[in-house]
Amino acid sequence: ETGVTQTPRHLVMGMTNKKSLKCEQHLGHNAMYWYKQSAKKPLELMFVYNFKEQTENNSVPSRFSPECPNSSHLFLHLHTLQPEDSALYLCASSKQGSDTEAFFGQGTRLTVV
Amino acid sequence: GESVGLHLPTLSVQEGDNSIINCAYSNSASDYFIWYKQESGKGPQFIIDIRSNMDKRQGQRVTVLLNKTVKHLSLQIAATQPGDSAVYFCAAFSPYSGGGADGLTFGKGTHLIIQP
Repeated sequence: ETGVTQTPRHLVMGMTNKKSLKCEQHLGHNAMYWYKQSAKKPLELMFVYNFKEQTENNSVPSRFSPECPNSSHLFLHLHTLQPEDSALYLCASSKQGSDTEAFFGQGTRLTVV
Repeated sequence: GESVGLHLPTLSVQEGDNSIINCAYSNSASDYFIWYKQESGKGPQFIIDIRSNMDKRQGQRVTVLLNKTVKHLSLQIAATQPGDSAVYFCAAFSPYSGGGADGLTFGKGTHLIIQP
């Protein structure tokens, strides 16, 4: 266990559904991240939150909407997704500062039908 | 920007043999490197890291070698075991003003297969 917990582990949703992914860490970290992992591609950084403030949005479509209510919780709200959005969504956290290791959750395997 | 690549998408080794997984990075300013292991159905887990002021670092059955001249990184796993079967990623950290793990660039991963 890395100390980063993601729910649900698996999610199947239709293109008209609205769902949310949840991430929680109690490691005392102050930065949290959403990554997308697709087959045969490197991890893609989607969003970065430092001290609850969004500091990076890597040109992610608006159908993905992050929320960070506090430094321990991170959500990814999903609506009107496309089949190509099917992937493993990984949450990570780290201490702010240089040379920082990211601690990853187990991921949510999302399938859009 | 940084790009990180692994030389082989799949590596198959016999149980008990040593394995070497290679990685190349592009940004000469990268100064911190991490190897992650990702087992099926799980998120990536930290294995070992190395800073640019070192060229070798050893852990338990794992060794990371860094060659800054050719911007090459390798992970050596000694006496591989069935539990070593996983996808291995390298990640390179490029310094920037913000700090944090968003400075990490990940490679695609090498799938290590351990044959009995």
